[in-house]
Amino acid sequence: QQPVQSPQAVILREGEDAVINCSSSKALYSVHWYRQKHGEAPVFLMILLKGGEQKGHEKISASFNEKKQQSSLYLTASQLSYSGTYFCGTPINNAGNMLTFGGGTRLMVKP
Amino acid sequence: ETGVTQSPTHLIKTRGQQVTLRCSSQSGHNTVSWYQQALGQGPQFIFQYYREEENGRGNFPPRFSGLQFPNYSSELNVNALELDDSALYLCASSLDTNSGNTIYFGEGSWLTVV
Repeated sequence: QQPVQSPQAVILREGEDAVINCSSSKALYSVHWYRQKHGEAPVFLMILLKGGEQKGHEKISASFNEKKQQSSLYLTASQLSYSGTYFCGTPINNAGNMLTFGGGTRLMVKP
Repeated sequence: ETGVTQSPTHLIKTRGQQVTLRCSSQSGHNTVSWYQQALGQGPQFIFQYYREEENGRGNFPPRFSGLQFPNYSSELNVNALELDDSALYLCASSLDTNSGNTIYFGEGSWLTVV
């Protein structure tokens, strides 16, 4: 079952902060975050693993609450380049990286 | 630049035809996954190949098939094309199948079925 993302869309001014949420109805072993710009492929941002390990983008932070089966992506001091659609992906099978993705959160950063 | 290359970039096919899409994985990666992304939606998992064997499959009909070659490159074949098959097809490679390993997407193949 695919994760649910919220909000569906966000409009920010440059320098403002945003939080994007991803929740699952089943236990999570990892959460993968991607950003996709219009007409381009998804670009890897971050992986959060059960147990607290994180790998990814230096300027983006995220949290992973295993108990609540949720993850949040924190975009601070947003830049114009942050605009795009953000997807979270969770493993279809617990131990693998075959992912089911949420419906996406469209982020627009304005000057 | 992820090192994952796909071809062709764009193509137009007629309903009922067959199509083959190709993918070269990043150097050192033995796992390739294929995703279908319709306009305005998230990527949908089609299948994954690990060391030339199908490792898992999503909810797609048998007319979607694939191959992985000894050099770990891969093909996606779709038979009897339908209008709803129009989408961006994404190939992604990873070091292996472990959930802690990043999947890196190629630029995709845009398929239009008319």
